[in-house]
Amino acid sequence: DVVMTQSPLSLPVTLGQPASISCRSSQSLVHSDGHTYLNWFHQRPGQSPRRLIYKVSNRDFGVPDRFSGSGSGTDFTLKISRVEAEDVGVYYCMQGTHWPLSFGGGTKVEIK
Amino acid sequence: QVQLVESGGGVVQPEKSLTLSCAASGFTFSSYGMHWVRQAPGKGLEWLAVIWSDGSKKYYADSVKGRFTISRDNSQNMLYLQLNSLRAEDTAVYYCRTTTALFDYWGQGTPVTVSS
Repeated sequence: DVVMTQSPLSLPVTLGQPASISCRSSQSLVHSDGHTYLNWFHQRPGQSPRRLIYKVSNRDFGVPDRFSGSGSGTDFTLKISRVEAEDVGVYYCMQGTHWPLSFGGGTKVEIK
Repeated sequence: QVQLVESGGGVVQPEKSLTLSCAASGFTFSSYGMHWVRQAPGKGLEWLAVIWSDGSKKYYADSVKGRFTISRDNSQNMLYLQLNSLRAEDTAVYYCRTTTALFDYWGQGTPVTVSS
């Protein structure tokens, strides 16, 4: 099974400053169809998760352009160019390439 | 608009069974695969199971394989998760989810507590 490892576990950030979260998979996430099924989710306390990014770098509808995803193979990154107050919560990466699907352990973003 | 509404959660004793339901609306349910994901209190997300749009294929997480069964009724726009031989570590909020490259929707979740 594919293990997804996120870092850091906790990320204190200053409003207006950039933030970056890393996600590594235990094996390549390149599917036999050529696509890489790596998603990013954001979950606020008491709410359901919301997908931000699909297939490494594609923003979902309505997601601000301050969010960007990058990476390939086994190493992926979510970047927030300028953190806003509404960005607090937990961020998860998730691989959709191999069965069973799997999530990273999460990164908690909080304001300093 | 798309809605996924889970129900059926509650308090259940260890080794007992429970069936969760997810009522879907606002999209062509029979055209999309459906997932169950859970979240234990204070913990991260855990993917549990998926069922193909026509029910022809199912995959499970190792942690629930053989104990949980995913199913669907496309005539009623309903998704189910049967939970058998429940353990304390199955205590969590259970979400249903549907996803494609174009959209990703989650329900609000239904809580399950396994306790004697």
